[in-house]
Amino acid sequence: GAVVSQHPSRVICKSGTSVKIECRSLDFQATTMFWYRQFPKQSLMLMATSNEGSKATYEQGVEKDKFLINHASLTLSTLTVTSAHPEDSSFYICSARADRGGANTEAFFGQGTRLTVV
Amino acid sequence: GEDVEQSLFLSVREGDSSVINCTYTDSSSTYLYWYKQEPGAGLQLLTYIFSNMDMKQDQRLTVLLNKKDKHLSLRIADTQTGDSAIYFCAESMDNDMRFGAGTRLTVKP
Repeated sequence: GAVVSQHPSRVICKSGTSVKIECRSLDFQATTMFWYRQFPKQSLMLMATSNEGSKATYEQGVEKDKFLINHASLTLSTLTVTSAHPEDSSFYICSARADRGGANTEAFFGQGTRLTVV
Repeated sequence: GEDVEQSLFLSVREGDSSVINCTYTDSSSTYLYWYKQEPGAGLQLLTYIFSNMDMKQDQRLTVLLNKKDKHLSLRIADTQTGDSAIYFCAESMDNDMRFGAGTRLTVKP
């Protein structure tokens, strides 16, 4: 099956610093990538959707200036948490979808990144 | 708004069948999914069903969809200890996906 690689799997950073998380589709071209945030005992929350070469579409309540998303190529999307604060500590997961003839196809998920801001 | 709901916990004995239930609210959903999350790992797609289907079977997994009631279930036959994980149901429409909170399945020997 398709593989999506997310890096790093864990990161600890100091308050006020920025952290970049990478999401790569290893064996397919991902025209659409999704970034989610998971809070304990809660569902995955979609943060934003990005299409290659265009600006990301953010969900309501997600600060676009704080969570910078770059989908520069068909195999790479990055999420940068800027000026991180302890409340940004969470589990972030990306997923990638290869659009095939317009049909709604399955999405493949990365391993997730556990971000801890101290 | 649209919510996907599922119970948080399920405990079964090894060898029994497990049934994880999910309700969704958006009737325009095109695909419905079941994902498995093991500790320290990302989400793994187990199976999915197109909204015009009632049932899909894949080895030990059976997915039932009641579109009228917006109810989705995942049955795992002959549940094994390796099936212990968190199972997420999800619905998708257009370019968006919505997930439930996940059901933690515990399999007791």
